[in-house]
Amino acid sequence: NAGVMQNPRHLVRRRGQEARLRCSPMKGHSHVYWYRQLPEEGLKFMVYLQKENIIDESGMPKERFSAEFPKEGPSILRIQQVVRGDSAAYFCASSPPGSGRAGEQYFGPGTRLTVT
Amino acid sequence: DAKTTQPPSMDCAEGRAANLPCNHSTISGNEYVYWYRQIHSQGPQYIIHGLKNNETNEMASLIITEDRKSSTLILPHATLRDTAVYYCIARNAGNNRKLIWGLGTSLAVNP
Repeated sequence: NAGVMQNPRHLVRRRGQEARLRCSPMKGHSHVYWYRQLPEEGLKFMVYLQKENIIDESGMPKERFSAEFPKEGPSILRIQQVVRGDSAAYFCASSPPGSGRAGEQYFGPGTRLTVT
Repeated sequence: DAKTTQPPSMDCAEGRAANLPCNHSTISGNEYVYWYRQIHSQGPQYIIHGLKNNETNEMASLIITEDRKSSTLILPHATLRDTAVYYCIARNAGNNRKLIWGLGTSLAVNP
């Protein structure tokens, strides 16, 4: 069973460009989460999605950031007009169905975004 | 979700057991204790979780005190590859599925 896939692994963008980060959850998982980790800091929750629905976006910046998890295809985290402060590692995780396993989240290798 | 407290760092000799403590004195009855680790620059890795009974899997054992105010993650025979930051998270079993991460314990396994 393949793990959570993220691509690209490394992404370099100039200030003002758009960044698109992709995440394919583990097979059978319908819940996807995005977390951000700034250099030398801990992980911060951004958004939790199920297929075609945003369940909790309480950690998403109000502007420039959006996320989707369409019926078909990977989840996408989109950052418009990137700034240097967006440079970070972005991790995607997925979890199996069933509330008893809600805390079992399986993480991808991350996308390291560098804004120049 | 209840706050957890962990020591910032610990050392362990290779081959010995690593015992990582976590305090969660305000944990409520329906909150589970989860353990994750993050090896440098990699994505976090789920280790184990429990509610009130001790748990064991192929990676580790989790010992939860009877009053549930603290727990210990045990790596029975630590290897150099176990060097990582270990996170203890108390989480409600309800529908709010985000994980709130603290600073964790940085475990250094020494040869």
